[in-house]
Amino acid sequence: DQQVKQNSPSLSVQEGRISILNCDYTNSMFDYFLWYKKYPAEGPTFLISISSIKDKNEDGRFTVFLNKSAKHLSLHIVPSQPGDSAVYFCAASDGFGGNDMRFGAGTRLTVKP
Amino acid sequence: DSGVTQTPKHLITATGQRVTLRCSPRSGDLSVYWYQQSLDQGLQFLIQYYNGEERAKGNILERFSAQQFPDLHSELNLSSLELGDSALYFCASSSGASYNSPLHFGNGTRLTVT
Repeated sequence: DQQVKQNSPSLSVQEGRISILNCDYTNSMFDYFLWYKKYPAEGPTFLISISSIKDKNEDGRFTVFLNKSAKHLSLHIVPSQPGDSAVYFCAASDGFGGNDMRFGAGTRLTVKP
Repeated sequence: DSGVTQTPKHLITATGQRVTLRCSPRSGDLSVYWYQQSLDQGLQFLIQYYNGEERAKGNILERFSAQQFPDLHSELNLSSLELGDSALYFCASSSGASYNSPLHFGNGTRLTVT
């Protein structure tokens, strides 16, 4: 069951520009959302999260926006850097820790110099 | 370095065989999770343990089983392997001490069933 969807398998942007990665979810019980970043041959690493009581969370160049009514969240990276090239996974949870954490299929971001 | 260690990194075996994947969580983390990532798929939750007890089950096949030992390391056992079991298997840990603790992932074990 695809409760978390990342409809863009890949995204390519120019260095210095904004990268916007999108994620949609279907379960209205999800109340905590995370983005993970994955480099080849490594496990996913936690990047940024947002609780459903907020609509925006910022950490340096990374900002996550949550639109609960649309069941949509996005990750903005500004400015994009070549080192940001990786696969980004969106995840959502409706409970404690990871037992209810669902992941999207990932979006491969390529930042071109 | 996430602090989560998974062994082996690669495993190649034949159909019908049985393998064991091992995971050592971050120091102090009580929760261990197992995920499967097949080609071009997201991370599918398999099972979670907290302090030695099974906490939750996801899409885990009956041919698969897991356990968490008193020292908190965990093993995922896959038996009667089929070609479709070829995937990346990730272990993750969290403190489990607070609501929605982010997961810390190991680098995965790539299983190839031939």
